[in-house]
Amino acid sequence: IAGITQAPTSQILAAGRRMTLRCTQDMRHNAMYWYRQDLGLGLRLIHYSNTAGTTGKGEVPDGYSVSRANTDDFPLTLASAVPSQTSVYFCASSDGGDHTGELFFGEGSRLTVL
Amino acid sequence: GQNIDQPTEMTATEGAIVQINCTYQTSGFNGLFWYQQHAGEAPTFLSYNVLDGLEEKGRFSSFLSRSKGYSYLLLKELQMKDSASYLCAVSSSNYQLIWGAGTKLIIKP
Repeated sequence: IAGITQAPTSQILAAGRRMTLRCTQDMRHNAMYWYRQDLGLGLRLIHYSNTAGTTGKGEVPDGYSVSRANTDDFPLTLASAVPSQTSVYFCASSDGGDHTGELFFGEGSRLTVL
Repeated sequence: GQNIDQPTEMTATEGAIVQINCTYQTSGFNGLFWYQQHAGEAPTFLSYNVLDGLEEKGRFSSFLSRSKGYSYLLLKELQMKDSASYLCAVSSSNYQLIWGAGTKLIIKP
């Protein structure tokens, strides 16, 4: 049982480069989320999608974009990476939308922007 | 503003009991979650409280008082594998989760 798969696991990226973090789930969950986790801070929501075809902005959306073309995939794109985007990124999903119910997380993508 | 407060770090002894507190101030309340996160791993769900009182699940229990904006996670019969960070999160008025920074629990033999 895979659950949620994220790729890459880690990446070092030059500032100004474009980067897409991939997220795929096989649980047929309606809702998916992208969080970033930084030392000393709580998880912060970047973007979310309550159902395929819809997306919404979270707490820290600037510099990031997402798409939800189907139920399973929810990629996160950094159009032009900056050092402040160095973080661990977690993709998550839930059966219900709007953060109702348990979140299932991927293993995370550690991104370093130099 | 909205905020979640929990202690940064706690230490406890194997076999003992520890209580991790979480206080919150949010615009609206639709439930409180506790997650466990081992170092370098993803958070995993532990509990959900939406009504006042104690929810017990094996060695872990979670308590909620909505009037006080307070919750705690109680871990009994501590094991070394319980060494992890414990994250408190509140579902606020627009159903977005507000997360605490987490409490790092260190278990000593």
